[in-house]
Amino acid sequence: LAKTTQPISMDSYEGQEVNITCSHNNIATNDYITWYQQFPSQGPRFIIQGYKTKVTNEVASLFIPADRKSSTLSLPRVSLSDTAVYYCLVGKIIFGKGTRLHILP
Amino acid sequence: DTGVSQDPRHKITKRGQNVTFRCDPISEHNRLYWYRQTLGQGPEFLTYFQNEAQLEKSRLLSDRFSAERPKGSFSTLEIQRTEQGDSAMYLCASSLSEDRTYEQYFGPGTRLTVT
Repeated sequence: LAKTTQPISMDSYEGQEVNITCSHNNIATNDYITWYQQFPSQGPRFIIQGYKTKVTNEVASLFIPADRKSSTLSLPRVSLSDTAVYYCLVGKIIFGKGTRLHILP
Repeated sequence: DTGVSQDPRHKITKRGQNVTFRCDPISEHNRLYWYRQTLGQGPEFLTYFQNEAQLEKSRLLSDRFSAERPKGSFSTLEIQRTEQGDSAMYLCASSLSEDRTYEQYFGPGTRLTVT
């Protein structure tokens, strides 16, 4: 099962673009890459998912290089409410330790 | 549909007691997952079901843990002879197996404290 590695924490300011990268060197051919957001005392919430290249939805973009050994979640123009833990999930069930994102005013 | 629900939200028990948690998935979802999460860590996979069949179980899951999904709808997770190390948030999620992306919808979790 593919393991993931993410930065433990990141700080940014309101209105900035934030990029969080996840490494997954052992990703399997049929694994999708999914990102979740989690607030304290809540379950994780789906943000975005992709298989290769770029995926964009109303809240984020996901960039996946051709070798698929990493992925980058991009959050445009963050706000204070984006302060949360962000998890990269490869395949169905293996979560990383998450990145604690702290947005400053 | 109100999403995934879990009951109870909080449980305090004494070491050695048995506890049981319930999860009600989104009604049309046939996959159901259980995770455990401790403070500062990501969700740790425990087991998952497709309909009533338990398809995968983590090697980290000791014999004191058992999960069931008798009719392919709600699921229960039982912990026997609880230990202080079992204190954690227990999360349930559900998804559609026909959805190749396996997007999981999580419940609010059950927080277990073993004293």
